[in-house]
Amino acid sequence: EVQLVESGGGLVQPGGSLRLSCEASGFTFRSYWMSWVRQAPGKGLEWVANINQDGSEKDYVDSVKGRFTVSRDNAKNSLYLQMNSLRAEDTAVYHCARFGWLALDYWGQGALVTVSS
Amino acid sequence: SSELTQDPAVSVALGQTVRITCQGDSLRTYYANWYQQKPGQAPVLVIYGKNTRPSGIPDRISGSSSGNTASLTITGAQAEDEADYYCNSRDSSNNHLVFGGGTKLTVL
Repeated sequence: EVQLVESGGGLVQPGGSLRLSCEASGFTFRSYWMSWVRQAPGKGLEWVANINQDGSEKDYVDSVKGRFTVSRDNAKNSLYLQMNSLRAEDTAVYHCARFGWLALDYWGQGALVTVSS
Repeated sequence: SSELTQDPAVSVALGQTVRITCQGDSLRTYYANWYQQKPGQAPVLVIYGKNTRPSGIPDRISGSSSGNTASLTITGAQAEDEADYYCNSRDSSNNHLVFGGGTKLTVL
């Protein structure tokens, strides 16, 4: 059974940093692109970042470029999102998702990040 | 960058058919994927590619596409279909993903 479990969310002040982790199981992690998608309270889904199988290709939504970094450790079956210079508008539930054939086919339950003073 | 446009809300009577649409230029190049999200839960993929359902998704849910518009159709809507539905595709100019704003489906 495919499972994705996020951790590392919490309350952080504006300008602060946070690192999210996503532990994967039930599939060959190193064979898949992975994504981060966020959802602000009461709002829709917003794609944040993609990373390819070996971490050599990364893409970001414009609003987080230069502040967020996606990475992975295939030996640990883990995906990460390092978030720096956080802003109030980054407040959201952050989901990791597996990028299967054509679509995001499995999602984690998400980690809540709240940016507030 | 590309945008995908969805109606904010749609309603359907129990047992009737409903169509949820998604419009955007990227849909002329890429198929739309559709996700169902119920309150407090993670999104679930219900349609991907031309019209493929992942295992476990009922066959009353189907997808179609024409020009710049993709559609999700639920034939014989059930109470458990009440949820938010999001379309997504690739941006036609780069590797970015884009989501529609979501459609809240109410089953009356």
